[in-house]
Amino acid sequence: DQQVKQNSPSLSVQEGRISILNCDYTNSMFDYFLWYKKYPAEGPTFLISISSIKDKNEDGRFTVFLNKSAKHLSLHIVPSQPGDSAVYFCAARGGNEKLTFGTGTRLTIIP
Amino acid sequence: GAGVSQSPSNKVTEKGKDVELRCDPISGHTALYWYRQSLGQGLEFLIYFQGNSAPDKSGLPSDRFSAERTGGSVSTLTIQRTQQEDSAVYLCASSSIGGLAGGEETQYFGPGTRLLVL
Repeated sequence: DQQVKQNSPSLSVQEGRISILNCDYTNSMFDYFLWYKKYPAEGPTFLISISSIKDKNEDGRFTVFLNKSAKHLSLHIVPSQPGDSAVYFCAARGGNEKLTFGTGTRLTIIP
Repeated sequence: GAGVSQSPSNKVTEKGKDVELRCDPISGHTALYWYRQSLGQGLEFLIYFQGNSAPDKSGLPSDRFSAERTGGSVSTLTIQRTQQEDSAVYLCASSSIGGLAGGEETQYFGPGTRLLVL
């Protein structure tokens, strides 16, 4: 049972444009959400997070939006840069439970 | 260094052999996780240690997999009688808040161990 879903395995975006990565979840007990970025041959690195008491969190070029009623979150990257090309994982947790990760979306920024 | 380290970085073994993978978490982090990522797949949770609590082993795929965490720090993941389907990148992560404390938590990942079973 995949509680965190990233339905797009890959996404290509022109440099300078906005990249939007989507994530859906099924567990209504999830109250904290994170995005991780992973380059080849490296471990994932934390990018940005959001608590369920908020609907938006912004950090530089990265903004995460949370729609609790739709059980949906998205990561916006604007403007997209070639260095943003990586695999992006969405993760969620509820209370004292462990993080649950999605399957990832491979983002390719086209120069 | 101050990050999570894993060893070996690469491991090639023959089917049926046992392997041990090591993880050194960030000093002071009470929570430690093992994940694996098979080719083309997402992060698959394996096991979770939090302080002195009993580990959450719910993600271990079979009884050939086991892990221990000595002294609340270093962890070893052991795979017995390896099979070709065990080939994957095994990732370790640690965090300063986890499980019992709940709330915000950022996991810091090591670079992974690439295991290839021939």
